[in-house]
Amino acid sequence: SQKIEQNSEALNIQEGKTATLTCNYTNYSPAYLQWYRQDPGRGPVFLLLIRENEKEKRKERLKVTFDTTLKQSLFHITASQPADSATYLCALDADSNYQLIWGAGTKLIIKP
Amino acid sequence: GAVVSQHPSWVICKSGTSVKIECRSLDFQATTMFWYRQFPKQSLMLMATSNEGSKATYEQGVEKDKFLINHASLTLSTLTVTSAHPEDSSFYICSAREGLAVNLQFFGPGTRLTVL
Repeated sequence: SQKIEQNSEALNIQEGKTATLTCNYTNYSPAYLQWYRQDPGRGPVFLLLIRENEKEKRKERLKVTFDTTLKQSLFHITASQPADSATYLCALDADSNYQLIWGAGTKLIIKP
Repeated sequence: GAVVSQHPSWVICKSGTSVKIECRSLDFQATTMFWYRQFPKQSLMLMATSNEGSKATYEQGVEKDKFLINHASLTLSTLTVTSAHPEDSSFYICSAREGLAVNLQFFGPGTRLTVL
């Protein structure tokens, strides 16, 4: 069955360093992959979308890579700040009825 | 752009009552809206897909008679939790799909439902 894995352990990063989050998937070949940020008690907020034919996508301090051979996406936040602390979710298109398949999310904690 | 609102943001109700949650796309038309449920420290669980002008498609295990969905216009979808029970207490989030080329979803802020 289709499966998405994100590191279930919280990721603690020192302020100013680069945070790297991983999203692995199996039994699937998505046309694109998305990353969202979710703060406690709030709905997810869209961050970046990367297509299968794109290797890398950037937006300000954010960078996403997409390796369809490894079936993996990496999400980087450079010069991390405490305000970047949140849970980050990756999602793949499911092709059916416009649904997305969601990872469980990785909690990122940026320590000052 | 692409703002989705949800109302109410939180609600507390007694067991056996019904609760309606509204989801609106404020600055775009959403032919498809999604309703999710999220338990603490867990990921989003899709409950149903709501298409404007047609019946919602429910995920396996989600009772359609308990979670009534109405998508009457291109900017409004409602979820009614009927005869709510404490186990229905959860965080309910809607999203609206924008664009035809890719499945880009914009989320509402969520509704915290507590059933006493």
